[in-house]
Amino acid sequence: SQQGEEDPQALSIQEGENATMNCSYKTSINNLQWYRQNSGRGLVHLILIRSNEREKHSGRLRVTLDTSKKSSSLLITASRAADTASYFCATDITGANSKLTFGKGITLSVRP
Amino acid sequence: DAMVIQNPRYQVTQFGKPVTLSCSQTLNHNVMYWYQQKSSQAPKLLFHYYDKDFNNEADTPDNFQSRRPNTSFCFLDIRSPGLGDAAMYLCATSRDGPGRNEQFFGPGTRLTVL
Repeated sequence: SQQGEEDPQALSIQEGENATMNCSYKTSINNLQWYRQNSGRGLVHLILIRSNEREKHSGRLRVTLDTSKKSSSLLITASRAADTASYFCATDITGANSKLTFGKGITLSVRP
Repeated sequence: DAMVIQNPRYQVTQFGKPVTLSCSQTLNHNVMYWYQQKSSQAPKLLFHYYDKDFNNEADTPDNFQSRRPNTSFCFLDIRSPGLGDAAMYLCATSRDGPGRNEQFFGPGTRLTVL
């Protein structure tokens, strides 16, 4: 089973609305990262939040982390058609063999 | 601009015919990764290099190998591609410690196996 699982799997909103995407994970982490992937392209890093942080902002993006619930959320405010993409959370699990483990992603569609 | 470059962007090969994908970076990062991503799935780490140290994931098939001749370049060799190896192959770099920092991805190479 996946370490990181995003929810919902797909989200469709109107331009200008806010989009909230969630990620849950199973084991303790050092950090959690969110990436965006446009269709047929590579991934672009959005935000890294460490296990001792609760919230981070970057422009229209807000990420929260609740280590007690093993969950994170990504909020995109005032969405634009250009935000249409797949969004992945990735976790660096505590312990040996540090690496990023990606979830299956959320497909976000922003309608003009 | 500092970046991660992958060539070719699209690669078509025949079943069983060896193929090499290349990746270069101008970021001077210590770590380089290769991921396999199939349609609508999560990127799956195949292996990574930390400087010259090669780290293979336990479930990466022997059919996949990699070379890193210098800091800037890393290659993915698929010795005998099967139909199941058709996927997007993503190269990424990070400044340090796998998982500890953000990763910078190239645009990917789409591999088709006929």
